[in-house]
Amino acid sequence: DAGVIQSPRHEVTEMGQEVTLRCKPISGHNSLFWYRQTMMRGLELLIYFNNNVPIDDSGMPEDRFSAKMPNASFSTLKIQPSEPRDSAVYFCASSEGGNTEAFFGQGTRLTVV
Amino acid sequence: AQSVTQPDIHITVSEGASLELRCNYSYGATPYLFWYVQSPGQGLQLLLKYFSGDTLVQGIKGFEAEFKRSQSSFNLRKPSVHWSDAAEYFCAVASVGSYIPTFGRGTSLIVHP
Repeated sequence: DAGVIQSPRHEVTEMGQEVTLRCKPISGHNSLFWYRQTMMRGLELLIYFNNNVPIDDSGMPEDRFSAKMPNASFSTLKIQPSEPRDSAVYFCASSEGGNTEAFFGQGTRLTVV
Repeated sequence: AQSVTQPDIHITVSEGASLELRCNYSYGATPYLFWYVQSPGQGLQLLLKYFSGDTLVQGIKGFEAEFKRSQSSFNLRKPSVHWSDAAEYFCAVASVGSYIPTFGRGTSLIVHP
């Protein structure tokens, strides 16, 4: 398996623009996580999907952030409008659910100028 | 709520020396525990995990960790460090039922030749 695939790897955008990050989980995994990594706050869980349904979105910072999982093989994290403080590395991870580990993608490094 | 503390932000060791990275967790019941490693610009890779059973678990790359319930700890060890082990190490905890990993702030390992 190719692992968790995220795109793009790097994104530079101007403040106020819409940004969409994409994730393809490992085939057969039914749990998907979006994390944000910054120097100040470390790794924070943004949202957790199970069987394509958002279960816990308490980590989503504000209404500017939204996430979808239209099917088992694709998820998006959208920021609209983007702000400089959104600059971070965003990771997608997937797992088989239950007592199994999460597998991480390579991350998307977002820079908002 | 579950939480993880990694008290050491940086650890410096000489190549060939032994290593112990500390991890303390807060959770009411027996947790699921993980250690991940992150190389620069990369995603997180699982080193080892504890779900139940033997409290000493072996992982990849010669790492091991010991779960000590009385101390709420899950310290990572390696008898002889290689220069390629220089990376960021993250301890994580997940609770039975939610399976959402919560990460510590990480420990940066520096290896001197």
